Amino acid sequence: DPKIIQKPKYLVAVTGSEKILICEQYLGHNAMYWYRQSAKKPLEFMFSYSYQKLMDNQTASSRFQPQSSKKNHLDLQITALKPDDSATYFCASSQTGPNTEVFFGKGTRLTVV
Amino acid sequence: GDSVTQTEGQVALSEEDFLTIHCNYSASGYPALFWYVQYPGEGPQFLFRASRDKEKGSSRGFEATYNKEATSFHLQKASVQESDSAVYYCALSESGGYKVVFGSGTRLLVSP
Repeated sequence: DPKIIQKPKYLVAVTGSEKILICEQYLGHNAMYWYRQSAKKPLEFMFSYSYQKLMDNQTASSRFQPQSSKKNHLDLQITALKPDDSATYFCASSQTGPNTEVFFGKGTRLTVV
Repeated sequence: GDSVTQTEGQVALSEEDFLTIHCNYSASGYPALFWYVQYPGEGPQFLFRASRDKEKGSSRGFEATYNKEATSFHLQKASVQESDSAVYYCALSESGGYKVVFGSGTRLLVSP
């Protein structure tokens, strides 16, 4: 049973559109993260949340907005999509901070055409 | 900012060969160090960590020793198997921080 559910698995979007990537974790963890993986940047940290509070943000663009409606949810809204946003987006979680084991979901592969 | 450097982009070995993947880090504080492994179609998986100087982390036959002086955390395995073929990431996390910084990854290809 996957403990971190990411939806959808694959996503094709048109340039300029807006998409929401869904992430739910059922590990009882308090911290959640988003990472991006592409050919240009293998594993790039984007955001971290703890108890639904933003802890760190390394994403320069405001087009990327995390949304946490519940402790075990951390969605990622991306607006005004560009072809450069094409990547696999991984949601992850850990019990407390990232000095403990971080568990990753299987990712959402986003292609912007 | 903090960074992790993996010098080998790809390593090709035969089964039972000895493996070393080099990892060096740069950090302002005293970070925890990690190795993660990623298989095709999957997210990275935690392999092991070390959080203080000279501590050895290990799992599934892989091991690495925290070397603060050399700022290194090299991954080794005495005898690789074909099933070890994957991408290996060295990573660090600063104490009190809320992010893991990953290296560029090393693809390990093991042939039978």
